[in-house]
Parts: sequence; C-alpha cells; structure tokens
Amino acid sequence: AQSVTQLDSQVPVFEEAPVELRCNYSSSVSVYLFWYVQYPNQGLQLLLKYLSGSTLVESINGFEAEFNKSQTSFHLRKPSVHISDTAEYFCAVSEDFGNEKLTFGTGTRLTIIP
Amino acid sequence: GAGVSQSPSNKVTEKGKDVELRCDPISGHTALYWYRQSLGQGLEFLIYFQGNSAPDKSGLPSDRFSAERTGGSVSTLTIQRTQQEDSAVYLCASSLAGQGRAGYTFGSGTRLTVV
Repeated sequence: AQSVTQLDSQVPVFEEAPVELRCNYSSSVSVYLFWYVQYPNQGLQLLLKYLSGSTLVESINGFEAEFNKSQTSFHLRKPSVHISDTAEYFCAVSEDFGNEKLTFGTGTRLTIIP
Repeated sequence: GAGVSQSPSNKVTEKGKDVELRCDPISGHTALYWYRQSLGQGLEFLIYFQGNSAPDKSGLPSDRFSAERTGGSVSTLTIQRTQQEDSAVYLCASSLAGQGRAGYTFGSGTRLTVV
C-alpha cells in the first residue's frame, strides 16, 4: 500500500529566504506525485504534479519539486519565499493502477516571518 | 457550476444524531471523491465514485458511514449515530473522465463538529 511521509509539521522561514519542504513516499509500483496548497480559510489547490517525463516540475508561483525515484522523494523547494506563501502544504501520491485515489501526507505548515 | 460546491459549510450536531453532507461536483465531471481532514492529520480517503461503476468504499471507517451519488451528479455522505471522533472537515473533489488523479478540483469542505 502507498504511504506518504512529511516529516516537518511546521516550518518557519524568514521572508526572501529559501525553503525546502520534505516529502517521502512508499509504494511497490509506479506512482504519480502531487503537492497541494491550502491557504488560510481556503480550499485545497493543486500546486504542481509529476506524472511522467522530466523529473523536475514547476509551479506558476516559483515553487519546484523534483521526483527522485531512488530516494523515493518529492521535496518542494522555493529559492525565495514571500509572505503570501504562508499556507499548509500537502504532498500526495497515487499509484499507477486501480482507482485514482490520492494518499496524502499529514501536511507542513509554512510560516513566513517578515 | 464553476466549482465543486459543498453544503453546509459548517455543521454542529449532537452525539448520536445522523448528518448528511452534500457535494455538487463540476458539471461533466464523472469522478467524485470524498476525503476527511482531521486536525493534525492529512486527508483520509473515504469513497470514490466513477461513472456507473460500483463505488470504491474501501476508505469508509465504519458502517455508520455511507454515501450515494444520484444520477451521476450530486453526492450525499451520511454519517449515522455521530461520534465525537467524527468531527473533521469533509472534503469532496471531482475530476473529468480520463484526468482522474491529475485533475482533482476540491470543494471548500464541510466542517463537522460533534458535541
């Protein structure tokens, strides 16, 4: 069965500093990987996804994540964060067979310090 | 509609009562999913509907939970004899056929509080 681990429940970062949110997954088959973001008092939004092809994927607001099969990781990075990046970030995995449910991690709360 | 609509947005109920949560997916989306988000935990898969296929109910935590989807559109999640541990945000998502996992759109959720 698939599983996702987000080791950091909270990450405080100074504004304009870089950040990395860690995500590791476990699965015995091929997977698809996702990062979702939940801004305060808002619903979940897809930030970026890895389905196939290039292992480095980017979002429109400067985040990127790299699929590393050997390390079973899909860490999220941004070189310079802004106050508006304050949110909870969820990593999710979906196995390449059967139904299309997502298995989510427990989330990382990113707090940007002015 | 433009997005996935869930109602009510908030529900407070007494322990032991039944509740119904509604999800109205995006028009044309054939797949519909229910998840539960508990405080300090990730999202937990509950149930999945795809077109006319039998739903995948493997995530329902107990037989107090059930869901149906009428006419391939609106879905209702029913929790019978609610318990305090049922308190959570219940999220619904839908996607187009063929997009599946790649094209989820989530609703804003129903926050259920059992007192």
